[in-house]
Amino acid sequence: GAGVSQSPRYKVTKRGQDVALRCDPISGHVSLYWYRQALGQGPEFLTYFNYEAQQDKSGLPNDRFSAERPEGSISTLTIQRTEQRDSAMYRCASSDGQGSYEQYFGPGTRLTVT
Amino acid sequence: QQPVQSPQAVILREGEDAVINCSSSKALYSVHWYRQKHGEAPVFLMILLKGGEQKGHDKISASFNEKKQQSSLYLTASQLSYSGTYFCGTEQRSDSWGKLQFGAGTQVVVTP
Repeated sequence: GAGVSQSPRYKVTKRGQDVALRCDPISGHVSLYWYRQALGQGPEFLTYFNYEAQQDKSGLPNDRFSAERPEGSISTLTIQRTEQRDSAMYRCASSDGQGSYEQYFGPGTRLTVT
Repeated sequence: QQPVQSPQAVILREGEDAVINCSSSKALYSVHWYRQKHGEAPVFLMILLKGGEQKGHDKISASFNEKKQQSSLYLTASQLSYSGTYFCGTEQRSDSWGKLQFGAGTQVVVTP
């Protein structure tokens, strides 16, 4: 079946612009996670949802970052007033259970802020 | 709170064995292992839970020493397809809901 998809795959934006990154999890998956991955590093946790509820947003770097999953399926990560330090690969992952289940990662969105 | 992985990199010949270690300064509930090939998304390998339960579906094996707050991933009789970067992700509480802290990774290169 279809895996996790993300769009856009690449995004170049000017400093100060807002961006919205979309994640479409595997159908029926309860949990959805957002990560940021710098080159040569492991994924860094940002936030996660169980169904439509945002359970933990402790990893969001500052209040310019927000995420939602209004209907418990597709999720959007929004970065307002982007800065060059926001440039990174943003990945989402989904799992079909709440808790310690394998996470299926999407291909990521490569964000470049110029 | 990020777990520490060692070694940073390892080069193997096909058929050789290797061990990748993951250690934490805090008590752990579970350890997850993923492999990421260049330009691709991380792919699940294994989950090890406190209490000994192990969930995985690959020939690669792992151990979890709760007292030492360590996990080890064993690559036995390595194949060319084992090449990639291996990440451990740790979960500190049973109610962490899969919130993982990932290590910096171990790069594995398997040569013919």
